[in-house]
Amino acid sequence: RKEVEQDPGPFNVPEGATVAFNCTYSNSASQSFFWYRQDCRKEPKLLMSVYSSGNEDGRFTAQLNRASQYISLLIRDSKLSDSATYLCVVNMGRGSTLGRLYFGRGTQLTVWP
Amino acid sequence: DADVTQTPRNRITKTGKRIMLECSQTKGHDRMYWYRQDPGLGLRLIYYSFDVKDINKGEISDGYSVSRQAQAKFSLSLESAIPNQTALYFCATSDPKRGQLGGEKLFFGSGTQLSVL
Repeated sequence: RKEVEQDPGPFNVPEGATVAFNCTYSNSASQSFFWYRQDCRKEPKLLMSVYSSGNEDGRFTAQLNRASQYISLLIRDSKLSDSATYLCVVNMGRGSTLGRLYFGRGTQLTVWP
Repeated sequence: DADVTQTPRNRITKTGKRIMLECSQTKGHDRMYWYRQDPGLGLRLIYYSFDVKDINKGEISDGYSVSRQAQAKFSLSLESAIPNQTALYFCATSDPKRGQLGGEKLFFGSGTQLSVL
């Protein structure tokens, strides 16, 4: 089983739609969780950290379910500029052992007019 | 100017050639990383360095070597390139001094597309 798994999509949604991505991770001792955004053939950039209680940043909401070992990203009122690949990232090390930061394969989103 | 700079941006080479990819940063971060990205496989960690004297293998270090010449510079070498090393390579930095969560934020360079023929 891969350490971090995501539905690769693609998700094709109209502007204004709400879309959700899920990600599962294999190590129950994982410490921290993130969503990164990557535009085509460009570098990934941090979108959100994911906190235990869930967190929201504008149109974006991230949730963590430790019991089921999954995290989610919800995008409301999709914009054309949201079109990108969304990477689920999990730190399976203890403390700040970033050597054990695992990336999912990414979920591709296309928002159409 | 970019905080994390990779050179070259693109490189085409032949099997068996020695290749060096360079990364420099102006962020003052101690931690630096090399990742490769293949279509459908996501990012995989090749090597990482927590300071100038600390270098560690990642998931897929075979066929690669690294050198941390200074806090700001971290280079990746392919001693004898092979076609399955064709990929998009990213250098990244992070700064744990800002606290665990904030310190885990990775700052990526723009990437180097390497093609081995």
